[in-house]
Amino acid sequence: EAQVTQNPRYLITVTGKKLTVTCSQNMNHEYMSWYRQDPGLGLRQIYYSMNVEVTDKGDVPEGYKVSRKEKRNFPLILESPSPNQTSLYFCASTTSPDRAGTEAFFGQGTRLTVV
Amino acid sequence: GQNIDQPTEMTATEGAIVQINCTYQTSGFNGLFWYQQHAGEAPTFLSYNVLDGLEEKGRFSSFLSRSKGYSYLLLKELQMKDSASYLCAVRDENQAGTALIFGKGTTLSVSS
Repeated sequence: EAQVTQNPRYLITVTGKKLTVTCSQNMNHEYMSWYRQDPGLGLRQIYYSMNVEVTDKGDVPEGYKVSRKEKRNFPLILESPSPNQTSLYFCASTTSPDRAGTEAFFGQGTRLTVV
Repeated sequence: GQNIDQPTEMTATEGAIVQINCTYQTSGFNGLFWYQQHAGEAPTFLSYNVLDGLEEKGRFSSFLSRSKGYSYLLLKELQMKDSASYLCAVRDENQAGTALIFGKGTTLSVSS
């Protein structure tokens, strides 16, 4: 079954404690991205990756890092989480954003609370 | 820049028809998507339009007018399970590496 898998689904952590949210897709997609979703603000892109070892900032990258060492995995790293990073996070993948009609597939989401 | 507008909330009754509008401004339009998102869950793909006109998929239809920067999602024979947020998203080919730009979503409440 084609899917994007995120872990963990829920996480409560303390300010400053480094954490990683994993994302893995089994569709051999080149393009992967991370979004955060906050009430009233919608989905905002944090980082994206066009392929292995190719990553770039989205609209709200501050406080986040990513890596793309393998095609299937795209972890999101918060080196020093702060309360303003409390949010619902989604990983998404697609074959190529340049190819017409290719929709994005989303992971199940990670609800992060930083206290 | 880009801008995508859709109403924040809508209400409707079971069995009715509802139309959710989306207007957009982008420099390099390359397709418009509609997603459905139930509370706390992942967005799921509903429809895609890149040419003007109507695309029909069962109870859901989506319309696009590129000259007007306008789309709508039409939901017929509403069911309680259609209560969700509906996200309009545009692909902008002038945005390097950005797959989709999302509107803030329209929360639809269906009552019996």
